[in-house]
Amino acid sequence: AQTVTQSQPEMSVQEAETVTLSCTYDTSESDYYLFWYKQPPSRQMILVIRQEAYKQQNATENRFSVNFQKAAKSFSLKISDSQLGDAAMYFCAYRHRDSGTYKYIFGTGTRLKVLA
Amino acid sequence: EPEVTQTPSHQVTQMGQEVILRCVPISNHLYFYWYRQILGQKVEFLVSFYNNEISEKSEIFDDQFSVERPDGSNFTLKIRSTKLEDSAMYFCASSLELSNIQYFGAGTRLSVL
Repeated sequence: AQTVTQSQPEMSVQEAETVTLSCTYDTSESDYYLFWYKQPPSRQMILVIRQEAYKQQNATENRFSVNFQKAAKSFSLKISDSQLGDAAMYFCAYRHRDSGTYKYIFGTGTRLKVLA
Repeated sequence: EPEVTQTPSHQVTQMGQEVILRCVPISNHLYFYWYRQILGQKVEFLVSFYNNEISEKSEIFDDQFSVERPDGSNFTLKIRSTKLEDSAMYFCASSLELSNIQYFGAGTRLSVL
């Protein structure tokens, strides 16, 4: 069964500094998608970045980038030049196809605090 | 940018009562989903819906739950007789096609007293 593990329940970073959030997953599939979602206090789940497993190049989106290590089944999120607005719960998710439907398997989340 | 909207943002109900959570998916999307997040726990898949029928459901989605697309815009989740353990954040999501990214709404917090 597919699982997603986020081992850091909470992280803190100083404003303007860089922080890395960890995510590991377990799967026997070779083709899949991985995502990082941000859930600020407003509760909206916002897609931050996604990675297709068949692409070796790490995805980047402005200040957000991933370190995708397929063999190690690791998918960490790096936030550069952290801003106060980055404070949120971050969820790593794996998109899994089961019986014809795509379902997202989420990790337990990492709460990111940004210190002024 | 188009958004998935959910109403209400917070619903309080008495145990045993029926609740209907409402979602308006992105207008041209064809696939719809409900997820649940119990406080402090991970987001869990409940059900997917396409072409006016359920295409997949999890073991959580028992006979107390039902989904409906009553018109061209709304997608609802009904809990027939709420239990204390139904208290959670419920997220609606939609995607254009089966293989596309799912866009999530802001969620409805359900509190069962």
